[in-house]
Amino acid sequence: GDSVTQMEGPVTLSEEAFLTINCTYTATGYPSLFWYVQYPGEGLQLLLKATKADDKGSNKGFEATYRKETTSFHLEKGSVQVSDSAVYFCALSDPRTGANSKLTFGKGITLSVRP
Amino acid sequence: EPEVTQTPSHQVTQMGQEVILRCVPISNHLYFYWYRQILGQKVEFLVSFYNNEISEKSEIFDDQFSVERPDGSNFTLKIRSTKLEDSAMYFCASSTTGNYGYTFGSGTRLTVV
Repeated sequence: GDSVTQMEGPVTLSEEAFLTINCTYTATGYPSLFWYVQYPGEGLQLLLKATKADDKGSNKGFEATYRKETTSFHLEKGSVQVSDSAVYFCALSDPRTGANSKLTFGKGITLSVRP
Repeated sequence: EPEVTQTPSHQVTQMGQEVILRCVPISNHLYFYWYRQILGQKVEFLVSFYNNEISEKSEIFDDQFSVERPDGSNFTLKIRSTKLEDSAMYFCASSTTGNYGYTFGSGTRLTVV
């Protein structure tokens, strides 16, 4: 079945450092890909998405490119801030299953940014 | 901004007891979901619900679990006889299209002792 693998965490960075969080997936067909973020005490929020190969999703300075050849969707940000400290989840859905597509999540990774 | 509200935020229950987790989805959303995350593990799909019936459920969602939309606003997850391994964070979500753009609640942490 479909699966998502994220790099092991946690990750601790200094403010203004470059961030990469790796995500690879296994799926039949052409899934849609997502990054969700969970800030402390809050629910999962959609950060960005990409629905086809070579699409780049972007939001709040974060970017991720749908790479079909490497089945990857790595999250990047050029300069992190303390406010980016959160848990980040990579996820996919299979549009072939229709409008009610469930999400398949990775394990999540905790990012802590030091001032 | 509209929110999905979950109550309680934390519930402790004894093994074998019934528990009901409550969710108020966004009012114009049509699709509803429950997910759970056991500590240190992946967020897992449990069930999706549309038009007053279950659309899809995972193998985790066995006879001990049930969902209900008892009125026009609430969406509940019931676990009939809790086990220690049901301890997890349970997330409710709702959406309009069902394809992406879910709005998640902040979760209920269930601890079974």
